[in-house]
Amino acid sequence: EAGVAQSPRYKIIEKRQSVAFWCNPISGHATLYWYQQILGQGPKLLIQFQNNGVVDDSQLPKDRFSAERLKGVDSTLKIQPAKLEDSAVYLCASTELAFGEQYFGPGTRLTVT
Amino acid sequence: GEDVEQSLFLSVREGDSSVINCTYTDSSSTYLYWYKQEPGAGLQLLTYIFSNMDMKQDQRLTVLLNKKDKHLSLRIADTQTGDSAIYFCAEPALSGGYQKVTFGIGTKLQVIP
Repeated sequence: EAGVAQSPRYKIIEKRQSVAFWCNPISGHATLYWYQQILGQGPKLLIQFQNNGVVDDSQLPKDRFSAERLKGVDSTLKIQPAKLEDSAVYLCASTELAFGEQYFGPGTRLTVT
Repeated sequence: GEDVEQSLFLSVREGDSSVINCTYTDSSSTYLYWYKQEPGAGLQLLTYIFSNMDMKQDQRLTVLLNKKDKHLSLRIADTQTGDSAIYFCAEPALSGGYQKVTFGIGTKLQVIP
């Protein structure tokens, strides 16, 4: 069974530029999560989808971050414009149901200079 | 809100036992997780324990849960160099029928050959 796929693996941009990350969850998994993991910290939930609907985006900085999950499968997370403090690893995870073990992708390491 | 606390760093010699500790705040969690993150990778579920259990053993891993003190520990027997990683304690909470997981800051385990 293929795992959670993410791309790109690494991205370096200048502040005020835009960036987009892509996630393909495990086939059939209804719930998809985007986490931000700043160096030396645990993952912090940004947004959670159930199929193609948002169930929790309370910690998403909506003035600069946006995410979508078209057709309830792939998802993209966008930052526009990026700030220095957005430098982090962005992790995507999925679960088969609304709860249970989360399967994580390898993450995208973003560096904002 | 939920809060999960862990120590930052643990160093042990190969062959010794490692004990990683965690405290959590939400006593309504049905279970608690331990995730492992190797360098450059996403998180992977290592083990979990139901909240009605005091102990769970799985090969070299022993999880102890003290609900009264809201304390969770992970013991790794005969620690190997391949166990070097960051270990996250995680507390899932159900909100509106959906799971929201709060991760600790992570304990970096260094195994000295």
